[in-house]
Amino acid sequence: DAGVTQSPTHLIKTRGQHVTLRCSPISGHKSVSWYQQVLGQGPQFIFQYYEKEERGRGNFPDRFSARQFPNYSSELNVNALLLGDSALYLCASRPYFSVDGGYTFGSGTRLTVV
Amino acid sequence: AQTVTQSQPEMSVQEAETVTLSCTYDTSESDYYLFWYKQPPSRQMILVIRQEAYKQQNATENRFSVNFQKAAKSFSLKISDSQLGDAAMYFCAYRTSGTYKYIFGTGTRLKVLA
Repeated sequence: DAGVTQSPTHLIKTRGQHVTLRCSPISGHKSVSWYQQVLGQGPQFIFQYYEKEERGRGNFPDRFSARQFPNYSSELNVNALLLGDSALYLCASRPYFSVDGGYTFGSGTRLTVV
Repeated sequence: AQTVTQSQPEMSVQEAETVTLSCTYDTSESDYYLFWYKQPPSRQMILVIRQEAYKQQNATENRFSVNFQKAAKSFSLKISDSQLGDAAMYFCAYRTSGTYKYIFGTGTRLKVLA
């Protein structure tokens, strides 16, 4: 079975631009979460989605938005990019109802804002 | 608010030796989960071990074990018989039961010396 897949793996954007990051969860996983990992820090929670509905949001500005599609894949959108948005963006999936076995993470998208 | 603290930015261990990584956390909740994740250069976060707060017995997974001290809010990871493949960033993480937001520490970089 394929794991959590994220695309693209790397990208470079200019300040003020918009970016869309994509995530495909493990087959059968209906919950997707997004995390931002700034260099030298631990991941910070951005969003959690289940059945296309937002179920949790971290302390991020409204420039950050996300959505989940009927096939449970997800997109993270960031508008008006700032230099501080440069980070590794991790997507993670899990079955919604399960004894907590932890999230399964993807390998992330490395975003560089110049 | 819950916090997770890892006070060791970097640790080194000789191959085949034992090393302990420290983690403390702060919470007013009584029901929660604790995790150790490994992040190798491939960037994917890999679940190493998890502990339910209501269980007094320390979790063990092969060469990995934890020392969970609930009253002291301490959750250390012991790696026995260290191998070169154990070299990675290790993150301690917390989740309150009933939520799906993970709170990560800042990580400890583990170097394994041949």
